[in-house]
Amino acid sequence: EVQLVQSGGGSVQPGGSLRLSCAGSGFIFGSRWMSWVRQAPGRGLEWVANIKTDGSEAYYVDSVRGRFIVSRDNTKNLLSLQMSSLTVEDTAVYYCAKSGSWDPDAFDVWGQGTVVTVSS
Amino acid sequence: NFVLTQPHSVSESPGKTVTISCTRSSGGIGGHYVQWYQQRPGSGPTTIIYEDKERPSGVPPRFSGSIDPSSNSAFLTISGLRTEDEADYFCHSLKVFGGGTRLTVL
Repeated sequence: EVQLVQSGGGSVQPGGSLRLSCAGSGFIFGSRWMSWVRQAPGRGLEWVANIKTDGSEAYYVDSVRGRFIVSRDNTKNLLSLQMSSLTVEDTAVYYCAKSGSWDPDAFDVWGQGTVVTVSS
Repeated sequence: NFVLTQPHSVSESPGKTVTISCTRSSGGIGGHYVQWYQQRPGSGPTTIIYEDKERPSGVPPRFSGSIDPSSNSAFLTISGLRTEDEADYFCHSLKVFGGGTRLTVL
């Protein structure tokens, strides 16, 4: 069974840092683009970042570029999102997602989500 | 950049068929694959359609996806509606998500 299991997250004060992780299983992790998507309370879905199969390229939404870093370890089937200089606007449930094919944005499986709360 | 516009809500009776639209504001709908995600209350999204019309394993054929270049829209059709289909449905293409459609089955 293809699975993405997330960990990390929690509560932090503005300006703080958090690291999210996403462990993949049941598929060849290194063959798929991986992405992070977030959902603020009561809002819709927002693409945050993605990373190429071999980790050589990563892309970010403008609002997080320079503050978030997406990385992956294909030997451990692990995707990570290092978040720093967090603001209250980053409060959301964060999901990892895998692409179903060569298209980085054609998500076919999602993680269960992890809550990030930024508050003073 | 472009916007994906969905109806805010739709409702239909059990056993009936409903179609949810997703209209792209600029650029061709066929330019990039469209995905559809279901999000039940209190749960995360799950993929029900990817690459315009493909279903992940475990998604029943009651769910189908299509695109119509003439209206620059994608469509999610759910037939044989069940109460368990009540959820929010989001379309997605490239890095843009639609605002979501609340489906009520009553």
